[in-house]
Amino acid sequence: GNSVTQMEGPVTLSEEAFLTINCTYTATGYPSLFWYVQYPGEGLQLLLKATKADDKGSNKGFEATYRKETTSFHLEKGSVQVSDSAVYFCALIYGGATNKLIFGTGTLLAVQP
Amino acid sequence: EADIYQTPRYLVIGTGKKITLECSQTMGHDKMYWYQQDPGMELHLIHYSYGVNSTEKGDLSSESTVSRIRTEHFPLTLESARPSHTSQYLCASREQGSSYEQYFGPGTRLTVT
Repeated sequence: GNSVTQMEGPVTLSEEAFLTINCTYTATGYPSLFWYVQYPGEGLQLLLKATKADDKGSNKGFEATYRKETTSFHLEKGSVQVSDSAVYFCALIYGGATNKLIFGTGTLLAVQP
Repeated sequence: EADIYQTPRYLVIGTGKKITLECSQTMGHDKMYWYQQDPGMELHLIHYSYGVNSTEKGDLSSESTVSRIRTEHFPLTLESARPSHTSQYLCASREQGSSYEQYFGPGTRLTVT
């Protein structure tokens, strides 16, 4: 079946460090891929997306590239800030009648000053 | 900017009470969703709707029920709350035929004592 696996947290970094959160997926066909972010006490917000192989999604300094050969969509940021502290969810959506999002388990990122 | 609202934001209630969690969106989206988020952060789809008078159960079995009498409104009801219902409940919506982006509300954190 379709699934998303992302690295377990928490991930603790110092400000200005480089961030990578790994995400791999299993899916039939050609899913669209997403990263959502959840700040403390809030709902989820779409951070970036990619709809086909080799697409790169980017937003707020974050990037992720849709790699079909490795079935991966790793999230990266060159220099994190304290304000990036949040839970990050990798997700995919597959076609068909339901178009339901499938989420990974979430990775908590804590950035220390 | 997404316009999707959930009330109440926080609710503490005793066992056996009937409760309704409200979700409204002003974007005219056809598709709406309810997710349950456990303390470990994982998200589970419990209900979804493709339009007025359409409701379906999600991937995680839930004792809650939903209704969709108006496009903008998708309330979730628990007839008799139990401590096992303690969780965060997130509502989301999506436009028909869009690039699959779901917009999330801020969530309702429910505690059943």
